[in-house]
Amino acid sequence: DTGVSQDPRHKITKRGQNVTFRCDPISEHNRLYWYRQTLGQGPEFLTYFQNEAQLEKSRLLSDRFSAERPKGSFSTLEIQRTEQGDSAMYLCASSYGGGYTEAFFGQGTRLTVV
Amino acid sequence: KQEVTQIPAALSVPEGENLVLNCSFTDSAIYNLQWFRQDPGKGLTSLLLIQSSQREQTSGRLNASLDKSSGRSTLYIAASQPGDSATYLCAVDGGNKLVFGAGTILRVKS
Repeated sequence: DTGVSQDPRHKITKRGQNVTFRCDPISEHNRLYWYRQTLGQGPEFLTYFQNEAQLEKSRLLSDRFSAERPKGSFSTLEIQRTEQGDSAMYLCASSYGGGYTEAFFGQGTRLTVV
Repeated sequence: KQEVTQIPAALSVPEGENLVLNCSFTDSAIYNLQWFRQDPGKGLTSLLLIQSSQREQTSGRLNASLDKSSGRSTLYIAASQPGDSATYLCAVDGGNKLVFGAGTILRVKS
């Protein structure tokens, strides 16, 4: 297994367009997380899945954001009607279980909204 | 609400120096604490995981300690090298998610 994989690595989009990011977790991991990181800050939690169930969403995840994890495998994060404030690094992480286990992160998707 | 603070925000040291990065958190009800490294424009690489019942963990030149009751952790880097230059992030896990500090930007000069 090569670790957590994210696609694309970079995305430039015009304001108002929709974008979708994909995350492939480590295969045996049942938990998948999405975080957002802006310049000079630590990552901020957006949402997490246990298998296919989305168990928690941050208030940062406005109604323009939606995340799915069909069949408990890969996950997608969609942002509708992008705004310049959505420009950030979007990070995906996975772990086996939660709490006592180590989380592994992907390389992230850098979104620039122009 | 859990808050994580990292001090200093930035650090510049000559090669070979031993150094300490500090992390503090406000809620001691944590499952574990992780230290990560982040290179510019890249994702996070896990360095060390300390369970809430543990006091310290070591990996190579890195040693992390945890004092849960006082809400503090330190990352000790021995014999620093230019390749250690990166941002170091501390994160605490309350069970459902990691809460991160803003990081310490480390520069090791050759």
